[in-house]
Amino acid sequence: QVQLRESGPGLVEPSGTLSLTCAVSGGSISSGDWWNWVRQPPGKGLEWIGEVFHSGITNYNPSLKSRVTISVDKSKSQFSLTLNSVTAADTAVYYCLTSSPYRFDYWGQGTLVTVSS
Amino acid sequence: QTVVTQEPSFSVSPGGTVTLTCGLSSGSVSTSDYPSWYQQTPGQAPRTLIYNTNTRSSGVPDRFSGSILGNKAALTITGAQADDECDYYCVLYMGSDFYVFGTGTKVTVL
Repeated sequence: QVQLRESGPGLVEPSGTLSLTCAVSGGSISSGDWWNWVRQPPGKGLEWIGEVFHSGITNYNPSLKSRVTISVDKSKSQFSLTLNSVTAADTAVYYCLTSSPYRFDYWGQGTLVTVSS
Repeated sequence: QTVVTQEPSFSVSPGGTVTLTCGLSSGSVSTSDYPSWYQQTPGQAPRTLIYNTNTRSSGVPDRFSGSILGNKAALTITGAQADDECDYYCVLYMGSDFYVFGTGTKVTVL
């Protein structure tokens, strides 16, 4: 069974860049799955951020597209999220997860990122 | 902007049946939107319940079922149990390769 673990700074300054990495184990990052990021502000609902395939193809939420980059590093079996120009509204628990056609499968435990000075 | 709407909250008696719905702010939900459903308990990552409208994920009890009702996707819990009390989210695939989560429904079993 695929296992995912998020890592990265828990605190980011306003106008800065949020960077998270998701380590993949128990499965191949070169499988037919897509590799996704989803976030959840405290006490609020879930928001899909985007996804990457092992070939590097990406799809993003149109509302975040201008600030988001998701990339994959097959040699390290990990994928990453970068979100630029962050504000307090980007404070959330960030989850990495897999998707196969039209469904989300395995989720990481999530990591809280707070945007504050 | 696409908005996927769910009831904010629902209450069900133990052993009872509840149907949660997932609609679009404009238009109808169909099987071509590949609706899926996720269950989230506080402090935990979501768990997949239903995908492709009505396919149960591995290990999900058959008291959970998915369907299209009218112009919405639906999740029905039959024989509700205490540990079904949590938040439920639907997700629609919007074509153009992006997904949208619903607003979420908080289910109370009492």
